[in-house]
Amino acid sequence: AQSVTQPDIHITVSEGASLELRCNYSYGATPYLFWYVQSPGQGLQLLLKYFSGDTLVQGIKGFEAEFKRSQSSFNLRKPSVHWSDAAEYFCAVKTSYDKVIFGPGTSLSVIP
Amino acid sequence: DAGVIQSPRHEVTEMGQEVTLRCKPISGHDYLFWYRQTMMRGLELLIYFNNNVPIDDSGMPEDRFSAKMPNASFSTLKIQPSEPRDSAVYFCASSPPRSFANYGYTFGSGTRLTVV
Repeated sequence: AQSVTQPDIHITVSEGASLELRCNYSYGATPYLFWYVQSPGQGLQLLLKYFSGDTLVQGIKGFEAEFKRSQSSFNLRKPSVHWSDAAEYFCAVKTSYDKVIFGPGTSLSVIP
Repeated sequence: DAGVIQSPRHEVTEMGQEVTLRCKPISGHDYLFWYRQTMMRGLELLIYFNNNVPIDDSGMPEDRFSAKMPNASFSTLKIQPSEPRDSAVYFCASSPPRSFANYGYTFGSGTRLTVV
């Protein structure tokens, strides 16, 4: 069965530091992969997506993610975190139908 | 574009009452999804529609839950009767026709439901 795991429930980083959020998926075929961000009291916003091609994809707000098929991973990175990046981050995979399965989320706190 | 519009933003109701949540998707999007978010279970897909037709309702927890999409611009999620364990944030999302170039959900701001 398709699934998404995010090993880190909560991460705290200092403003200006680099960030990497981990995501592992389980899916038999070539996956559609996504990262979404949710600010408090808001819906989810799409940061970036991957289907094929270049395994390093760029998204909005300075985020990027790298797809590694051998590790079944799709980790999200940002070279320098801003206080406004504090939010909940969700990795997701689209199944063979049109359903998207979300991971449990990683909560990011940013220390000024 | 106003995005996906959900109403109400907050709903507090008594156990046993009927609750109706509303969603207006983005014009031109032919997929509509209803999700429920709780601390314990995260984001759960309840049901989704394609071209106003329910495709998969396997995530609907019980017969107390029902969803309709009478036209391309409106959908409802109804809970009757409501129970305290239904308390959650309910999100509606829409997506354009299937194409990777434009694939991706746009979420509404959600309805926070509290059943007391």
